[in-house]
Amino acid sequence: RKEVEQDPGPFNVPEGATVAFNCTYSNSASQSFFWYRQDCRKEPKLLMSVYSSGNEDGRFTAQLNRASQYISLLIRDSKLSDSATYLCVVTQYSGGGADGLTFGKGTHLIIQP
Amino acid sequence: NAGVTQTPKFQVLKTGQSMTLQCAQDMNHEYMSWYRQDPGMGLRLIHYSVGAGITDQGEVPNGYNVSRSTTEDFPLRLLSAAPSQTSVYFCASSRTGGLNQPQHFGDGTRLSIL
Repeated sequence: RKEVEQDPGPFNVPEGATVAFNCTYSNSASQSFFWYRQDCRKEPKLLMSVYSSGNEDGRFTAQLNRASQYISLLIRDSKLSDSATYLCVVTQYSGGGADGLTFGKGTHLIIQP
Repeated sequence: NAGVTQTPKFQVLKTGQSMTLQCAQDMNHEYMSWYRQDPGMGLRLIHYSVGAGITDQGEVPNGYNVSRSTTEDFPLRLLSAAPSQTSVYFCASSRTGGLNQPQHFGDGTRLSIL
């Protein structure tokens, strides 16, 4: 079975700090990568797609390393509202078809005042 | 904008009962899917559909049926509920391109099987 692995945390980080976490994937043929955010007892919501060249959206930076098969998420100047579970999502393919999106189990982030 | 709408939000069933979880989207998305989320397991794909009249199995399809008679609706049927199906169920949709597009999730159905 193809795997997407994340450190479950929790990461306890003081407000204003920078935090980064990684996600590794096992299927080298994976094509699409995303970070989703999920608040407690809520649905996942797209945070950002991850592009090969890396991309930034405000305080958030996503990176893709295909050679080592991992993606990363960096959060700068963290806010209390950043407290959530961050899900790594990878498109899995096998043979000629898509198996679907595979979700990591998530990294729990707690920003402390 | 309604987005993806799931009903009911909560449901308690007895073992052996059947029920249908409803999912509707108003974004004219071709791709729709059902996931279940269990503690420590992450989200797992149950069934998906790439368009009206087309469905396929995901990672954990046993005990569930789906149909896609319209673009808007993608109901999930539990044929004979079992305690192992206690979970939070999310429906998601995305526009053409399916897996390479961001998924829009409904706010979930919390299902307990006694």
